[in-house]
Amino acid sequence: GQNIDQPTEMTATEGAIVQINCTYQTSGFNGLFWYQQHAGEAPTFLSYNVLDGLEEKGRFSSFLSRSKGYSYLLLKELQMKDSASYLCVSRDSSYKLIFGSGTRLLVRP
Amino acid sequence: NAGVTQTPKFQVLKTGQSMTLQCAQDMNHEYMSWYRQDPGMGLRLIHYSVGAGITDQGEVPNGYNVSRSTTEDFPLRLLSAAPSQTSVYFCASSYGEYNSPLHFGNGTRLTVT
Repeated sequence: GQNIDQPTEMTATEGAIVQINCTYQTSGFNGLFWYQQHAGEAPTFLSYNVLDGLEEKGRFSSFLSRSKGYSYLLLKELQMKDSASYLCVSRDSSYKLIFGSGTRLLVRP
Repeated sequence: NAGVTQTPKFQVLKTGQSMTLQCAQDMNHEYMSWYRQDPGMGLRLIHYSVGAGITDQGEVPNGYNVSRSTTEDFPLRLLSAAPSQTSVYFCASSYGEYNSPLHFGNGTRLTVT
């Protein structure tokens, strides 16, 4: 079947580093996206991985291991504005997107 | 540069009423889609379109219709609203290539009483 698992909630401190994990079961896996969604707003694109390894984009990095069906989003130097939900989304061979339920991150001062 | 524009932002319907959620994009994207987002669940695909004149069903199409007469517009019609359709609806578009991210509209919060 198609499934995405990610933690429901996480809490971290301003200035710290947090890692949000995601495991997926996707037949014909064809890439993984991370989106950020602030409360009451639309999701916005953060990163895309299709090959194993780490993609770095400023304070945000995303990692993929295809053999393990595993990805993580790493947020460094956390800021209060990073409080949001983070959606892990896999894509299958027919380009269908499978959305996780999202991880709600609370950044505390 | 408007991106994806959705209207209305909020809507309250009575059971049995019909309405159309509007979606327009100005990025010349071929791919457009409608999702609903419910608490504790991932976004679920309702309908999608890979180009003008082409539409297809997603994961949860029942109770909804779509059409794609132009590249820019992709309206979603609720035929006879039910309380189970209370949700937040997002329209999204992309270029359609394998690594193209979705661009989302700001959402429509629909309540059916």
